Parts: sequence; structure tokens; C-alpha cells
Amino acid sequence: EPEVTQTPSHQVTQMGQEVILRCVPISNHLYFYWYRQILGQKVEFLVSFYNNEISEKSEIFDDQFSVERPDGSNFTLKIRSTKLEDSAMYFCASREVAVGYEQYFGPGTRLTVT
Amino acid sequence: QKEVEQDPGPLSVPEGAIVSLNCTYSNSAFQYFMWYRQYSRKGPELLMYTYSSGNKEDGRFTAQVDKSSKYISLFIRDSQPSDSATYLCAMKSGGGADGLTFGKGTHLIIQP
Repeated sequence: EPEVTQTPSHQVTQMGQEVILRCVPISNHLYFYWYRQILGQKVEFLVSFYNNEISEKSEIFDDQFSVERPDGSNFTLKIRSTKLEDSAMYFCASREVAVGYEQYFGPGTRLTVT
Repeated sequence: QKEVEQDPGPLSVPEGAIVSLNCTYSNSAFQYFMWYRQYSRKGPELLMYTYSSGNKEDGRFTAQVDKSSKYISLFIRDSQPSDSATYLCAMKSGGGADGLTFGKGTHLIIQP
């Protein structure tokens, strides 16, 4: 069964450094998303991406964040100048265009900022 | 008032029991409703997807939406220890808005 994959599974970085989290969405899906989940808190929407541009973003998704589809299979989230409060699980999700609004999530990348 | 409220539990029931999990929401624009299961430190796994009001059944799972009360439920029949996980409700409005709004999740424990 096709699934969303994410790398790395765990990333440790120092405050102020840049990180790139990578995702490979399900192959026939064209909508892509990033969410985050701070430990013990709810899953929060960051951004959605379709047709090579951002279609929606939340208040959390400020200038520190950017997304990119660098090739036909990868979808990335870049966090510039990481802060301690960026420590969280980051989930990528994807969905098909025409079928419905079901979003399928990857296993997540645990980001630890020290 | 939080947009989506969900009792965090833990909810502990014996194996074989019927489990009822619920969410309430405040935004009347929500039209699409999902239930996800999340094991510890894993990604959310889609269980059920419903549109507008009504019931939907899939195996041991039944999702129910009551838009007039802004209340959704997930029922699990013949619960198994492997059902022990955190269950997240999620929802979105129609139109261009695409991000899901999640509840905090209910931690469910099925006792063998």
C-alpha cells in the first residue's frame, strides 16, 4: 500500500541553525501539507501546497519557514534559524485531487533544537 | 472557546467493550470530518472520513456526525488490545481552506 515517507526520523540541531525536513508524498497525490505536533499538544496545520505554490498557511508558518517541491517526488520544509520552541514532531501529509479530502500522513520527523 | 474539544482521557475499557469517542466543535463552517489513530511517536493513521451529517460504518468502526449539535463520534465495536492508541478527530471547512483542525486526542486503553 502506498505511503508517505519522511526523512530523517530524528533530527537534532543547535539553536540558530537551518534544517530541511524531507517528505516523499504518495505518488499520485498532488496536494501536500506540513503539520507539527509539540509534545503533549494537538497536531497543528502549517501549510498546504498545490501546483507548485502555497495554497494556504497558518499563523505559525511565518518567514522562518519555507516549502519547496525540488523535483517530481520530494517535498521539503525548511526552517531557518531554528528556535528552542521549534522542537516538535513534523508530519508531512498528502491527498489526491479529485477523490475527497482525506489526508494521509507520514511517520513524522522528530526535531530537537538544543 | 477552542475550535475543537476532545476529552484527552485516558479512557480505559475491557477487551470486547464498545468504545465511544467524541468531539465537539464551534465552527459551523466545518463540513468534512475525519478520525485518525495515532500510536506513540508515530504519524496519524486515517480511520474514517465523513462528509456532513450522518453515519458511516467500516468494519468495527462507525463514525457519526451531528452538525446541528456540532458533535461527532467514533464507535469501536468488539474492542481489541491493539486498538489501544490515541484517537484524533480532525475537520475542515469547505471551499479553499484545506488545513485540518485537530482535537487534542483521546488516549484509549483496552485492557486484555
